[in-house]
Amino acid sequence: EVQLVESGGGLVQPGGSLRLSCAASGFTFSSYEMDWVRQAPGKGLEWVSYISSSSSTKYYADSVRGRFTISRDNAKNSLYLQMNSLRAEDTALYYCVRHAASDAFDIWGQGTMVTVSS
Amino acid sequence: QSVLTQPPSASGTPGQRVTISCSGSSSNIGNNYVYWYQQLPGTAPKLLIYRNNQRPSGVPDRFSGSKSGTSASLAISGLRSEDEADYYCAAWDHSLSGWVFGGGTKLIVL
Repeated sequence: EVQLVESGGGLVQPGGSLRLSCAASGFTFSSYEMDWVRQAPGKGLEWVSYISSSSSTKYYADSVRGRFTISRDNAKNSLYLQMNSLRAEDTALYYCVRHAASDAFDIWGQGTMVTVSS
Repeated sequence: QSVLTQPPSASGTPGQRVTISCSGSSSNIGNNYVYWYQQLPGTAPKLLIYRNNQRPSGVPDRFSGSKSGTSASLAISGLRSEDEADYYCAAWDHSLSGWVFGGGTKLIVL
């Protein structure tokens, strides 16, 4: 079964850091581009970051550029999001998403909640 | 404010046909594919339509997508109660070098 399982969310103070992880299974992880998409409570979807299969290309939303870093370890079938200088507006459910060849976000994890509050 | 514009809500009765619009610009919809996602209450989003009008396997043919210029639409025919969900459009934006989503449309089945 194709599956993405996020972990690492939690409560953090403003200015703090957090590292999210996503464990992939059921498909050849190293062949796929991956993304992070977030959803603030009661709000819509917001794309956060993209990484190519070889990690050679990375993109970030303006709202997180310079603070967040996406990375992957193909040997461990894992995707990561290092989040620094966290702000209240970063509070959201963070989804790990598989990026299909059609450029669709075709597989979504269940999400991990990040709450930034003092 | 979302880069892609969707109506906040839409509604219909069982059996009806409803459409949800998504408006963008030449930097996104006008020159790139449009994707649609369905998010049922309390669940992760699910891919509904890719590359403007293609359905993944398992998605009923009641769902269809179209694109014209800088706008796109999702049509749902034979509306069913289980279609009640939030629907999001998305596209690559070459000016932003990133993916953009619409604000989402809450579909209510009366």
